[in-house]
This record gives sequence, C-alpha cells and structure tokens, in this order.
Amino acid sequence: GNSVTQMEGPVTLSEEAFLTINCTYTATGYPSLFWYVQYPGEGLQLLLKATKADDKGSNKGFEATYRKETTSFHLEKGSVQVSDSAVYFCADTQGGSEKLVFGKGTKLTVNP
Amino acid sequence: SAVISQKPSRDICQRGTSLTIQCQVDSQVTMMFWYRQQPGQSLTLIATANQGSEATYESGFVIDKFPISRPNLTFSTLTVSNMSPEDSSIYLCSVENQGANAGYTFGSGTRLTVV
Repeated sequence: GNSVTQMEGPVTLSEEAFLTINCTYTATGYPSLFWYVQYPGEGLQLLLKATKADDKGSNKGFEATYRKETTSFHLEKGSVQVSDSAVYFCADTQGGSEKLVFGKGTKLTVNP
Repeated sequence: SAVISQKPSRDICQRGTSLTIQCQVDSQVTMMFWYRQQPGQSLTLIATANQGSEATYESGFVIDKFPISRPNLTFSTLTVSNMSPEDSSIYLCSVENQGANAGYTFGSGTRLTVV
C-alpha cells in the first residue's frame, strides 16, 4: 500500500536557521507530492506541490524537489522565521487515484 | 482554488448524540473528501463522496457511523452518529482543484469534543 513517512518532530530552531523536514513515500508510479501547513488554530493550507519527477515546488521561501530515485520530497527553507511555526504535513496521491495520503506531521517551533 | 465554507467550526456534544457537519464549495466539484484528524495525529481519510452515488468508505469507517450526503456538486454533509469520547477529533472536508491550481483545498475544520 501507499504510505508517507516524514521526520518525527517536534523540531525547534532559532530564527534564520536552516530547515529540513524529510519525507519519503512508497506509492508506485508517479504520484503527485504535496506539503501542507497548519498554523496554530487554523485549517490546512497547501504550501507547495510537485507533480512529476525532478519538479521543484516552492512557496514562501520553502522548496521541495520530487526525487523519484529516492522516492523523497524533502522540505527545505534557508532561513526560518518565527511566523513559520506550524505543523507541516507531507502527502501524496495514491497512483492513479485522487486520494491524499498524509504523513504524521512535523511540528516546527521557531524561536526569536 | 476552490473556497470551502465548513460549519460548525467547533462543538461540544454529549455522548450518544449525533452531529452533522456541512461543507459548501464555491464551485462545482466531482468529488469531496472527508478526513478525521485525531488529537496530535495526522489526517485519515474517512470517505469519498460523489454526487448521485453512495460514498466510498475507507477501511475502518462505516456508513452507519459516518453517514454522508452529497445532494449536489457544491455541497456535502458528514454526520458523526452515536458519538463517544473517542470521536473527539477535527473533521475536515476537502476538494480537488482543477487546472493550474491543481492540489487540494481543505475546509477550516470542525473541532468536535464529545463529553
């Protein structure tokens, strides 16, 4: 079956630190890959996506590259801000299906 | 991207009662998805709702517990029936966007507490 595995949290960083949150998937074929963000007290928002191998999704300084050879979609940001504190979810679609499968989420706290 | 209005945003309910959650989309969509997010956990798909047919439930979820309606292409409801404290979760609906904004939009969620 399809599963998404992402780095366990929580992650605590200082402002301007470099962020990496690892994500790997097991879906066969070419699923679409997503990162969603959930800010405190808010709903889920799409952060970025990639739909084919070697695509790079980017938004708000975050980026992730679809790596077919390693079945990964790691989230990175060069310099985090306090406002980036949130829970980040990696997700993919089951190959050929519209169903989203989510990782367990990684809580990020950025301190001033 | 589609815009979803979900309500109620939160509720506190007595065990044994039922709660119906509504999602209204500002555009016509073929499929709507209902998810559960238990405290501190990730999102789990409950069912997929198509207009004009019965919802398709994921393993571990049944229609008697989570009946779903999909009367038209812009609206759906999820009912949590005969609630117990274990049903305390955030429930979210979602739709798939089409075209250049492909991806999924989520409702703001319904935070349910069963006492």
